[in-house]
Amino acid sequence: DAKTTQPTSMDCAEGRAANLPCNHSTISGNEYVYWYRQIHSQGPQYIIHGLKNNETNEMASLIITEDRKSSTLILPHATLRDTAVYYCIVLNQAGTALIFGKGTTLSVSS
Amino acid sequence: DAGVTQSPTHLIKTRGQQVTLRCSPKSGHDTVSWYQQALGQGPQFIFQYYEEEERQRGNFPDRFSGHQFPNYSSELNVNALLLGDSALYLCASSLLSGGGETQYFGPGTRLLVL
Repeated sequence: DAKTTQPTSMDCAEGRAANLPCNHSTISGNEYVYWYRQIHSQGPQYIIHGLKNNETNEMASLIITEDRKSSTLILPHATLRDTAVYYCIVLNQAGTALIFGKGTTLSVSS
Repeated sequence: DAGVTQSPTHLIKTRGQQVTLRCSPKSGHDTVSWYQQALGQGPQFIFQYYEEEERQRGNFPDRFSGHQFPNYSSELNVNALLLGDSALYLCASSLLSGGGETQYFGPGTRLLVL
């Protein structure tokens, strides 16, 4: 599975959009980009995933560049409850293990 | 629709003892994966069970073993506990036979080894 690179930390004001970047320059054509987040001491929470096209659900939007070498998770209106560690993971469709890096610690403040 | 459940929530053991952690997958899921998360680190994959067989294993010693039951629930067993086994143990379930690989996590079991 391709490796990912994320910034260590980011800050966001409550009510503003939070844009979390992820680089995955070695991604293969059949590998998906997954995003999870983990609020302190809880289990990771699935957010969204995509292959080529941009995706949106009730939690977030995922923008994948045309060359698929990077992506951005967008939380449109961040709240204090969105403060968490966000993990970007690249996963082969037939893969099983999720390989977690260090993720991005997002701090949302009022 | 019940999500992934784990028991117990917290556990304290002594070095050398054995521990069993339990996981019930999300309704409709057939696959269970286990992860270990040390303090300040991301989760690390231990192994995955599907059709009562170990399907994939991470870089963990044989002291870590598991089992999956016909109802898809699973157990993680750790023998000869070490201080370094203190961690949050996470269970995740997915529907492998359906072709989807999205894993959903439970709340975890926090193990402290003294």
